[in-house]
Amino acid sequence: AQKITQTQPGMFVQEKEAVTLDCTYDTSDPSYGLFWYKQPSSGEMIFLIYQGSYDQQNATEGRYSLNFQKARKSANLVISASQLGDSAMYFCAMSVLNAGNNRKLIWGLGTSLAVNP
Amino acid sequence: NAGVTQTPKFQVLKTGQSMTLQCAQDMNHNSMYWYRQDPGMGLRLIYYSASEGTTDKGEVPNGYNVSRLNKREFSLRLESAAPSQTSVYFCASSPRTGMTGANVLTFGAGSRLTVL
Repeated sequence: AQKITQTQPGMFVQEKEAVTLDCTYDTSDPSYGLFWYKQPSSGEMIFLIYQGSYDQQNATEGRYSLNFQKARKSANLVISASQLGDSAMYFCAMSVLNAGNNRKLIWGLGTSLAVNP
Repeated sequence: NAGVTQTPKFQVLKTGQSMTLQCAQDMNHNSMYWYRQDPGMGLRLIYYSASEGTTDKGEVPNGYNVSRLNKREFSLRLESAAPSQTSVYFCASSPRTGMTGANVLTFGAGSRLTVL
């Protein structure tokens, strides 16, 4: 079964500290992609970072990095130096091959992050 | 810097009424998508359009129709609304055709629909 699991419904972090949001995945597709999106209280989904299954190095985008452990099938998001504006829902998603040779995105249920001042 | 624009932002319908959610993108993207977001269910794909002139069903297409009017616009229609269609609807677009590789989605702000 192709699945994304985010086991932390809610997380708290102190401002300026680092936080790791967990994401594990399951797929038999050898060529997949992993995404993280942020959804602030205003509602829109914002792309943060992408990791391809064949990428050798962990992806980084500013304060965001993706800790990609292929053997463990995990793709954790690390946010360094948390800011109050990081308070939001965070979604992990996976792009896999679908029937008809198309690709589809599978989404996790999200983790709510609260940054405390 | 508009990106993806959805209208309306909020709508209340009675069971059986019809309505159309409008979506437009100004990024010259090829693919467009409609998702619904429900508590505990995550994001679920309703319909998508991999390119102008094509539409395909996603995971939960029943009760919905779509039109890819042109490259910019992709509308979602509820012909006879049901309470089960109460949800937040998101339109998204991406530059590539289909979900190949790092096909990053740009989302609209969402439309909150309540069906009584």
